[in-house]
Amino acid sequence: AQSVTQLGSHVSVSEGALVLLRCNYSSSVPPYLFWYVQYPNQGLQLLLKYTSAATLVKGINGFEAEFKKSETSFHLTKPSAHMSDAAEYFCAVSAFNQAGTALIFGKGTTLSVSS
Amino acid sequence: KAGVTQTPRYLIKTRGQQVTLSCSPISGHRSVSWYQQTPGQGLQFLFEYFSETQRNKGNFPGRFSGRQFSNSRSEMNVSTLELGDSALYLCASSLNSLAGVSDEQFFGPGTRLTVL
Repeated sequence: AQSVTQLGSHVSVSEGALVLLRCNYSSSVPPYLFWYVQYPNQGLQLLLKYTSAATLVKGINGFEAEFKKSETSFHLTKPSAHMSDAAEYFCAVSAFNQAGTALIFGKGTTLSVSS
Repeated sequence: KAGVTQTPRYLIKTRGQQVTLSCSPISGHRSVSWYQQTPGQGLQFLFEYFSETQRNKGNFPGRFSGRQFSNSRSEMNVSTLELGDSALYLCASSLNSLAGVSDEQFFGPGTRLTVL
């Protein structure tokens, strides 16, 4: 069975500050890991994904995440927050050996950015 | 290339009714997945269709069903609606999603269902 835990349902940062959104996963098989962003009244957009090719994954809009197997973590970071980053962020996991797209999502973290 | 489209965008129904939601995937995508998003439970996987066959299924009651047509368009149906079915229903499409392949899922804007 797989699961994802996102620590902190709300994170607030100032514009220009470091963004750190935490995600821990549980998986009995090698996982695929994803970060998605959702803006109000919109669907989800993929920020980045880990597929075992490299532990440090760079995504869109300046975001990156590092896969740490020993810590079962896949935290999302951005060096300098922008007002447009305010949104809800979801971490998700799927199984490497599973055909199909049954993503298991975390509860989400709402990021607020103040000027 | 057009994105994933979902119709209708908003829907209001009463308890006991049934509802059908539609999803048109990105051209060439063969896999369509459905998710339910609620404030309490978050995003939960409903089911996935690939080449007109249900390939994966989440933990939802039998009132939730779906199908996929030969052109990859998909519908989901919820019968005997309950208040708790009020949610945003998201559809996502991807190319193949074979085992060992991490095809990106592209999400539609969702259908907001309100059950009164």
